[in-house]
Amino acid sequence: QQNVQQSPESLIVPEGARTSLNCTFSDSASQYFWWYRQHSGKAPKALMSIFSNGEKEEGRFTIHLNKASLHFSLHIRDSQPSDSALYLCAGTGGYKVVFGSGTRLLVSP
Amino acid sequence: DAGVTQTPRHEVAEKGQTIILKCEPVSGHNDLFWYRQTKIQGLELLSYFRSKSLMEDGGAFKDRFKAEMLNSSFSTLKIQPTEPKDSAVYLCASSLTGRDTGQLYFGEGSKLTVL
Repeated sequence: QQNVQQSPESLIVPEGARTSLNCTFSDSASQYFWWYRQHSGKAPKALMSIFSNGEKEEGRFTIHLNKASLHFSLHIRDSQPSDSALYLCAGTGGYKVVFGSGTRLLVSP
Repeated sequence: DAGVTQTPRHEVAEKGQTIILKCEPVSGHNDLFWYRQTKIQGLELLSYFRSKSLMEDGGAFKDRFKAEMLNSSFSTLKIQPTEPKDSAVYLCASSLTGRDTGQLYFGEGSKLTVL
């Protein structure tokens, strides 16, 4: 069964910094790749997704997928305190969705 | 549009009790998932339904965990009997069948504490 390793487990960055979160998948079973964000006590919410190799940018957020190395990343430009949350990466193939264990991000004002 | 609704938001149970958690998926969604979330294990799949049919029952969770989908707009997760190690947040999620892109819509969860 596919598994996903996320790193780092937790991260503290100052406001305005660039933040990078990483995921590595164990195999190439997944077809779609997602980042979810979960604020404390709230529902995880889909942030961005990508299907093919390359980059995708939406506002301050950029995701990057390299299927050959099974590596998937999220970059946040100009990090804000409101970005403080648990970030989960996920891969899906068919109906199966596999999640990483998450990176807990704290952006200090 | 209503999102996924979960009740209760918090539940405290004594060891050995039976508890039932409830979920209403997004209207029109055919896929429904139950997950358990802990800091150590992250998100663990408990059950998956497609159009009310149980597709996956989460293997290791079979013995004391039972999810049912009574109709397309309501699901329950029964834990019987509860154990302290069941303390976790239980998340329900739904998605639109036929769009296997992996976008799940989650409820805010039911936080279970077993004493």
